[in-house]
Amino acid sequence: KQEVTQIPAALSVPEGENLVLNCSFTDSAIYNLQWFRQDPGKGLTSLLLIQSSQREQTSGRLNASLDKSSGRSTLYIAASQPGDSATYLCAIYSGTYKYIFGTGTRLKVLA
Amino acid sequence: GAGVSQTPSNKVTEKGKYVELRCDPISGHTALYWYRQSLGQGPEFLIYFQGTGAADDSGLPNDRFFAVRPEGSVSTLKIQRTERGDSAVYLCASSLDQTRVNNEQFFGPGTRLTVL
Repeated sequence: KQEVTQIPAALSVPEGENLVLNCSFTDSAIYNLQWFRQDPGKGLTSLLLIQSSQREQTSGRLNASLDKSSGRSTLYIAASQPGDSATYLCAIYSGTYKYIFGTGTRLKVLA
Repeated sequence: GAGVSQTPSNKVTEKGKYVELRCDPISGHTALYWYRQSLGQGPEFLIYFQGTGAADDSGLPNDRFFAVRPEGSVSTLKIQRTERGDSAVYLCASSLDQTRVNNEQFFGPGTRLTVL
């Protein structure tokens, strides 16, 4: 059974810092991994989707990497801003039509 | 085009009441999913529709929960005899065609259900 873990559960950093969020999964037989952002009381906004054949994806200040063999993904946020404050979720798609989500990392960027 | 929409955005009800939550998927998306997100947790799968039929309802917690998609578009999640433990955000997602590998799901804003 696929299990997804995100560390840390919460993170508070000063504005301008570069930071890394971690996601680990127990079964490497995945099709893709997706990072989402969730603002309080809101739905999920897709940030980056990495196919199983890819090693990383980049969008603006965000970079996500995937190491299937070790069951790990990282989301790197460069030059963090207060507007980046949100919960970040990673989700695994293994071809069984449902996403398996981690519990998220709550990020607070202090001005 | 329009994304996935869900109504109502918030629903407050009393224990024991019946509620219906609605999801309008992206036009043309044949696959529809319901997830439930409890406070401080990631979303958990409830049920998946391919067209009009529920292809997998293994995530529904018990028989008080039921979902329909009669015309293969709009879906309604129905909860009978609500309990306080049902309080959560209910998320709906749709995808173009589940049969495709690496099928990407697009999520709605969710319905926050509070059972008093």
